Amino acid sequence: EIVLTQSPGTLSLSPGERATLSCRASQSVSSSYLAWYQQKPGQAPRLLIYGASSRATGIPDRFSGSGSGTDFTLTISRLEPEDFAVYYCQQYGSSPTTFGQGTKVEIK
Amino acid sequence: QVQLQESGPGLVKPSQTLSLTCTVSGGSISSGGYYWSWIRQHPGKGLEWIGYIYYSGSTYYNPSLKSRVTISVDTSKNQFSLKLSSVTAADTAVYYCARDGLGAVAGTGSGGFDYWGQGTLVTVSS
Repeated sequence: EIVLTQSPGTLSLSPGERATLSCRASQSVSSSYLAWYQQKPGQAPRLLIYGASSRATGIPDRFSGSGSGTDFTLTISRLEPEDFAVYYCQQYGSSPTTFGQGTKVEIK
Repeated sequence: QVQLQESGPGLVKPSQTLSLTCTVSGGSISSGGYYWSWIRQHPGKGLEWIGYIYYSGSTYYNPSLKSRVTISVDTSKNQFSLKLSSVTAADTAVYYCARDGLGAVAGTGSGGFDYWGQGTLVTVSS
């Protein structure tokens, strides 16, 4: 199975700053089948990005995804107070689908 | 708006079978076009995919759990269910049901999990 490694484990930033989250795969993710989720405490994950760079319905344009092959990035251009959460990447190009271990974006 | 809701016991004894049901509203499972999935999250940890079911009854499981998992569908009730046998404390987790699109290869998704239930905590303890 494909192992996804996210870095950093924790990102301490202030509102208004730019956040850059990394997701590296142990082997190439076919057709850039890579998604990103946001999860807040006590809530289910919310789909942000699919296909590596396409925003899901209703997701603000401050969220953007990029990358291909084994290296992917989620960028939040300007952090809003509601963006402080845990973010997960997921590959769905091969079975079993797998998730990264998460990056926590916390308020500095 | 599609909504999913998990239900089932919050406490299961070791060696017994965990059983959960996901009720879907706002859309019909039998309309096709989607996989219906179970995903779990151990306390304070990441996400683990358990398996998919299609409305026809076709299933795809995570190899790490395959020997203990059964996912079934009841289209008349617009529900799908999870059974996990021989549970141990390591199966204590929040269990989510979710929807995924059909991927190009059978058993793979498409577009990520776009709708989720709120999750239900299942504790395995005597």
